[in-house]
Amino acid sequence: KAGVTQTPRYLIKTRGQQVTLSCSPISGHRSVSWYQQTPGQGLQFLFEYFSETQRNKGNFPGRFSGRQFSNSRSEMNVSTLELGDSALYLCASSLDRGHSPLHFGNGTRLTVT
Amino acid sequence: EDKVVQSPLSLVVHEGDTVTLNCSYEVTNFRSLLWYKQEKKAPTFLFMLTSSGIEKKSGRLSSILDKKELFSILNITATQTGDSAIYLCAGGGGSEKLVFGKGTKLTVNP
Repeated sequence: KAGVTQTPRYLIKTRGQQVTLSCSPISGHRSVSWYQQTPGQGLQFLFEYFSETQRNKGNFPGRFSGRQFSNSRSEMNVSTLELGDSALYLCASSLDRGHSPLHFGNGTRLTVT
Repeated sequence: EDKVVQSPLSLVVHEGDTVTLNCSYEVTNFRSLLWYKQEKKAPTFLFMLTSSGIEKKSGRLSSILDKKELFSILNITATQTGDSAIYLCAGGGGSEKLVFGKGTKLTVNP
């Protein structure tokens, strides 16, 4: 079974630009969550999608948004990029909600210059 | 606000040593405690604990949860250089989202 696939692996953007990250969950998994990982803050929850609906949202500004498609694939968008948005963005899928274990992708490393 | 705190933040040991990593949590309507290992990129799932006092074991790794004292430990016996990684602890509760600690960076020297 293929794991969680995230594209692209690396991105370099300049301040003010916007970026879209993509995540394909494990086949059959219906819940997709996004996390931002930085050395200082660790893994911070961005949002969770289930059945194409955002079910949970972390404490991030409105510049961070996402969506989920009918095939469970998800995209995350960050607009008006800031230097502080440089981080590893991890997507994770799970079979269902309710704490079935998350399975993570390898992440997208975003660098904002 | 839900919180998960791991200690120590980093640890350096020699091959063959036994290590204990700690995780304390404050999670509203707590349901589960999860451990992950992160080497280069993707955190990989190790254990999920929901009941107090029951040890989960996989080879040289084991973990136990204490719901009364709100903590969990991850034990690694006979450490190997391949155990070098960041170990992440996460708590899940009524909000349905996992809250992660900042991790313990374990370095095992030959």
